[in-house]
Amino acid sequence: AQKVTQAQTEISVVEKEDVTLDCVYETRDTTYYLFWYKQPPSGELVFLIRRNSFDEQNEISGRYSWNFQKSTSSFNFTITASQVVDSAVYFCALSGGYSGGGADGLTFGKGTHLIIQP
Amino acid sequence: DTGVSQNPRHKITKRGQNVTFRCDPISEHNRLYWYRQTLGQGPEFLTYFQNEAQLEKSRLLSDRFSAERPKGSFSTLEIQRTEQGDSAMYLCASSLAFRGKSGELFFGEGSRLTVL
Repeated sequence: AQKVTQAQTEISVVEKEDVTLDCVYETRDTTYYLFWYKQPPSGELVFLIRRNSFDEQNEISGRYSWNFQKSTSSFNFTITASQVVDSAVYFCALSGGYSGGGADGLTFGKGTHLIIQP
Repeated sequence: DTGVSQNPRHKITKRGQNVTFRCDPISEHNRLYWYRQTLGQGPEFLTYFQNEAQLEKSRLLSDRFSAERPKGSFSTLEIQRTEQGDSAMYLCASSLAFRGKSGELFFGEGSRLTVL
């Protein structure tokens, strides 16, 4: 069975601080995909990133960066110089096998509610 | 706007009634998914279509739940004999089928169901 754990239920920081959201996953698949999605107050989930299990290279996109470590089964997400608009619930997700989120769907964590205070 | 559209956005019903939700995916997307999200939880996968074929339905919560996508375009999710535990947000998502885009889902705003 697959499982995603986001231990941080809620994080509150002041604007411009850096913040890291933790994600730990469990899977028996040797090939799998990891994702982060953002759910702003409007409610619509927005795709942020996909990473496959063979690619441990970290990725940076503007103020966002992701650290994938297979040795610790973690896929953490860092926001640098946070802004009020980053306030949202962030979900880490996992899919197994070769479907990449198709036939077996995505297994989501419970999410981390990020509050950026001005 | 050509995003994923869901209707109705809110539905209040009495226990035992049937409800149906509609999803219109992004037009060029051939995969369509239904998820359920309850308060404080992440979305939970229910079912998925590729074109008009329902390729995975074992994760539907009970036989009261059914989904269709008759012409490979819009989809409906029906819940029969609703129970209070069915109260949740029902999310629809769509995506392209090729491997490079797998898992990159485009979600609608959801249909919130309240069962009294």
